[in-house]
Amino acid sequence: AQSVTQLGSHVSVSEGALVLLRCNYSSSVPPYLFWYVQYPNQGLQLLLKYTSAATLVKGINGFEAEFKKSETSFHLTKPSAHMSDAAEYFCAVTEAAGNKLTFGGGTRVLVKP
Amino acid sequence: GAGVSQSPRYKVAKRGQDVALRCDPISGHVSLFWYQQALGQGPEFLTYFQNEAQLDKSGLPSDRFFAERPEGSVSTLKIQRTQQEDSAVYLCASSFDPSSYEQYFGPGTRLTVT
Repeated sequence: AQSVTQLGSHVSVSEGALVLLRCNYSSSVPPYLFWYVQYPNQGLQLLLKYTSAATLVKGINGFEAEFKKSETSFHLTKPSAHMSDAAEYFCAVTEAAGNKLTFGGGTRVLVKP
Repeated sequence: GAGVSQSPRYKVAKRGQDVALRCDPISGHVSLFWYQQALGQGPEFLTYFQNEAQLDKSGLPSDRFFAERPEGSVSTLKIQRTQQEDSAVYLCASSFDPSSYEQYFGPGTRLTVT
């Protein structure tokens, strides 16, 4: 069975500061990993995905994530936070293309001016 | 349309009522997923269609939940005799085909059962 744990349900960062959102996964087979962002009253938008190619994955809006098999982690970072980054972020895992996604509980990001 | 659409966006139902939630996937997308997102939580899988075939319904929480996709396009999630614990946002996602990793999500239907 697959599972995802996101450490910290809320993160507060200052505008211009580093954003770091933590995600650890459990999977019985090599995983495929995703980060989604959800703005209020909207659906989920894909930020980036890891599908067994390069371990450092770059996504939209300046975000990137690094797959670390030894740590079973897929943490999301952005060097400099912008006010528009305030949203909820979800890490997700699947064990094969076309399969259901298993999501973490989400991390809500607040950006302070 | 350009993306996945869902209707209604908001639904208030009295306990015991039946509801039907609609999903219009991206045109040509073979795979369709339903997820349930309770307040303050991540989405949880409900069911999966490949064209008109419902290949996985392991996430449906009870036999009051029923989903269909009769022509392999539009899908409807029906909840019978709604209960307060059914209050959640119901998200629909589609993907091009079973070999695709990327799922495209609709805006969701927020169901409130009073």
